[in-house]
Amino acid sequence: AAGVIQSPRHLIKEKRETATLKCYPIPRHDTVYWYQQGPGQDPQFLISFYEKMQSDKGSIPDRFSAQQFSDYHSELNMSSLELGDSALYFCASSPGAGRGYEQYFGPGTRLTVT
Amino acid sequence: AQKITQTQPGMFVQEKEAVTLDCTYDTSDPSYGLFWYKQPSSGEMIFLIYQGSYDQQNATEGRYSLNFQKARKSANLVISASQLGDSAMYFCAMREGYDYGGSQGNLIFGKGTKLSVKP
Repeated sequence: AAGVIQSPRHLIKEKRETATLKCYPIPRHDTVYWYQQGPGQDPQFLISFYEKMQSDKGSIPDRFSAQQFSDYHSELNMSSLELGDSALYFCASSPGAGRGYEQYFGPGTRLTVT
Repeated sequence: AQKITQTQPGMFVQEKEAVTLDCTYDTSDPSYGLFWYKQPSSGEMIFLIYQGSYDQQNATEGRYSLNFQKARKSANLVISASQLGDSAMYFCAMREGYDYGGSQGNLIFGKGTKLSVKP
């Protein structure tokens, strides 16, 4: 079965640079969530999209922005990177009404800021 | 206040034995879902099992079962016949509310329990 695809899988950036993470949800899933997991931490919710509209916002810094495109893929844009942004970034997708409880996670993008 | 509490930072279990990972939750919403995810050292987050707040029976998925005690607000994961490949971090998570119109509602995670299976 198709899974959530994230690219790149690994990314190394320097402080103050920008990064773009991409997420391709499972086909026919209309909802995308972004989570950030720092080293040894639990995942923290950043932002979510439903039918290409932002649906919820968590602890996402103002330096970060995200959007969901017409093909339902999503991108997380991160600017003015800081050392503390080093983390594993997960995208999860969900199938929509009636089966909305299940969130399937992608493999994650490991971002290292030096 | 912590919404999801996992009191066991780490646990050991002998191969082929059963193990219970504890999870308690806090919500005033009558509609919610409880999830368990497994995160191996490779980092991916693997969905294991789900229990809805209105489900009458405990959820089961193969060797995984969820001991749901609603009055006590606990949702413990039971892994039967542990295998070496079960060694991983296990996260309990909750989603509040149920939106029939769409899939909204982020997951709130506990701090996780690191399970080590001994041969």
